[in-house]
Amino acid sequence: DVKVTQSSRYLVKRTGEKVFLECVQDMDHENMFWYRQDPGLGLRLIYFSYDVKMKEKGDIPEGYSVSREKKERFSLILESASTNQTSMYLCASSGRGLDEQFFGPGTRLTVL
Amino acid sequence: LAKTTQPISMDSYEGQEVNITCSHNNIATNDYITWYQQFPSQGPRFIIQGYKTKVTNEVASLFIPADRKSSTLSLPRVSLSDTAVYYCSVSGGYQKVTFGIGTKLQVIP
Repeated sequence: DVKVTQSSRYLVKRTGEKVFLECVQDMDHENMFWYRQDPGLGLRLIYFSYDVKMKEKGDIPEGYSVSREKKERFSLILESASTNQTSMYLCASSGRGLDEQFFGPGTRLTVL
Repeated sequence: LAKTTQPISMDSYEGQEVNITCSHNNIATNDYITWYQQFPSQGPRFIIQGYKTKVTNEVASLFIPADRKSSTLSLPRVSLSDTAVYYCSVSGGYQKVTFGIGTKLQVIP
């Protein structure tokens, strides 16, 4: 059974903290994605990666960075968390081409 | 990238056919249209994908007119378990994807 896992379901951090969100997929997928989901705004793409060490900005990259050192792992980094980054963060992966994306269960991050 | 627009919410009675339409006026030639379903506390799950005309699988049909500026997800005979949020997405080169805000479907007994 295909699987995308995220390191935490719930996370509470303080303003200014550095936050790491980890995502791992076991499907040998080339592409990996980070989205945030907010009420009334749907899913918005933060960053994506189509190969190891490669990254591309999505629609809302400001305040975020990513790392992909291994094919199966894609990390989202909030260098200095702010309250407006309180959100649901979803990771996804897909194979080559325009294949369907497989999503993780999400991490609900609260920044106080 | 194509922007997608879909209704915020819809209600339907059990057993009815439900059609959810998504507009994507700026869709590019090589873009595909994909629909996802999301239940509370879960990530979205793939339903169906198409490029043009009609695609059908075991759970839904997808209708795409010739100009491809819209698409309609059709769910036959919905049940209570189909209550969820449905997202329309457009995928272009290098897998950059645009999602809509989602349509919350409430199935009523």
